Amino acid sequence: GAVVSQHPSWVICKSGTSVKIECRSLDFQATTMFWYRQFPKQSLMLMATSNEGSKATYEQGVEKDKFLINHASLTLSTLTVTSAHPEDSSFYICSAPSDMPRGEKLFFGSGTQLSVL
Amino acid sequence: QQQVKQSPQSLIVQKGGISIINCAYENTAFDYFPWYQQFPGKGPALLIAIRPDVSEKKEGRFTISFNKSAKQFSLHIMDSQPGDSATYFCAASKNFGNEKLTFGTGTRLTIIP
Repeated sequence: GAVVSQHPSWVICKSGTSVKIECRSLDFQATTMFWYRQFPKQSLMLMATSNEGSKATYEQGVEKDKFLINHASLTLSTLTVTSAHPEDSSFYICSAPSDMPRGEKLFFGSGTQLSVL
Repeated sequence: QQQVKQSPQSLIVQKGGISIINCAYENTAFDYFPWYQQFPGKGPALLIAIRPDVSEKKEGRFTISFNKSAKQFSLHIMDSQPGDSATYFCAASKNFGNEKLTFGTGTRLTIIP
């Protein structure tokens, strides 16, 4: 079945540095990818929708300049947390819609645990 | 914001019993209702999904019941096993799952021996 690969699985960084998270669709093309953030024991909250070849669409309250999204190709989307601070520590998950007419609609990456010291 | 309300927040079920988690939605434009299972430190994995043209869907030990008029749907896990202990999320989207998902608040399920 279709697979979404997310890298890295975890990252620890110092406050003020930037962190890049990659999301790849391995055997299908994804013109759209979704980025979610999940705090401990909470639900997944959609941050933004990345669109190949155009600007990302951000949800209300999400800082565009803080969370830079680039959908460079039909198989790769990246989320860069710029000037990270401890409050940005969270579990970040990407997902990509399947291009199959049947079956599972959305495939999720395995997530990235970000810890900002 | 479009909401999906989920209950209970946590649930303890004895091994072999039936686990039931409920969700309610507001937006009648939603037409795709999946359930996800998530283990700590992992991304969510699809369990089962339903469209509003059917009232029930069963896959193995997992069943979704759907009540369109009440705008409610539920997950039933039959013969619950310790390996089912995880957090479960209901979700909803439009365009038959091709648009962004709105997640419920999650239910932490614990199956005890």
